Amino acid sequence: DTEVTQTPKHLVMGMTNKKSLKCEQHMGHRAMYWYKQKAKKPPELMFVYSYEKLSINESVPSRFSPECPNSSLLNLHLHALQPEDSALYLCASSPGSGGLYEQYFGPGTRLTVT
Amino acid sequence: AQRVTQPEKLLSVFKGAPVELKCNYSYSGSPELFWYVQYSRQRLQLLLRHISRESIKGFTADLNKGETSFHLKKPFAQEEDSAMYYCALHPKGGSEKLVFGKGTKLTVNP
Repeated sequence: DTEVTQTPKHLVMGMTNKKSLKCEQHMGHRAMYWYKQKAKKPPELMFVYSYEKLSINESVPSRFSPECPNSSLLNLHLHALQPEDSALYLCASSPGSGGLYEQYFGPGTRLTVT
Repeated sequence: AQRVTQPEKLLSVFKGAPVELKCNYSYSGSPELFWYVQYSRQRLQLLLRHISRESIKGFTADLNKGETSFHLKKPFAQEEDSAMYYCALHPKGGSEKLVFGKGTKLTVNP
């Protein structure tokens, strides 16, 4: 399996809801990432997990809460989001951390906050 | 701070014409540089990286440290090359953070 999978593909949630995005990879990669991508913009890094430990938090609001239950799974828990949080949320993984490694991206979850 | 600049938001060429997508970077050390591509309705994927010095789908990119550039070139563009192209920088020996340029949307007309 050489792909990063993300569920759900689409998510519509109200500002008071709690939901979670899920990301999975079975390539044995040890670094996993969450990005936010607005329309016609590049991906913006949110979080990096390296060997299941959070190594980078790009000053993301606490209404986004990442979790890495094991080396294959990455979750993003969402609570009390704002309409401006509507975006495509991308997960990526790489064999290790550092610039030598290619990042493999998932197809994304299209999130709409109403 | 690291920065990647892609001066062209949109680039349009005809099939068979040469194409060059510009990328300039700002970084005091030795960076790792990449080109990622996003075809319509497909996931973002690596096209090439400077360290491997490969030619992928006819594209090449040379790192010019003097000009701090990593332009992407193809001598004969094809319609299937139409996509969004992102230049990205990773500081060598630094954190895991990949810094993306704003992207260039390439359209190859028949």
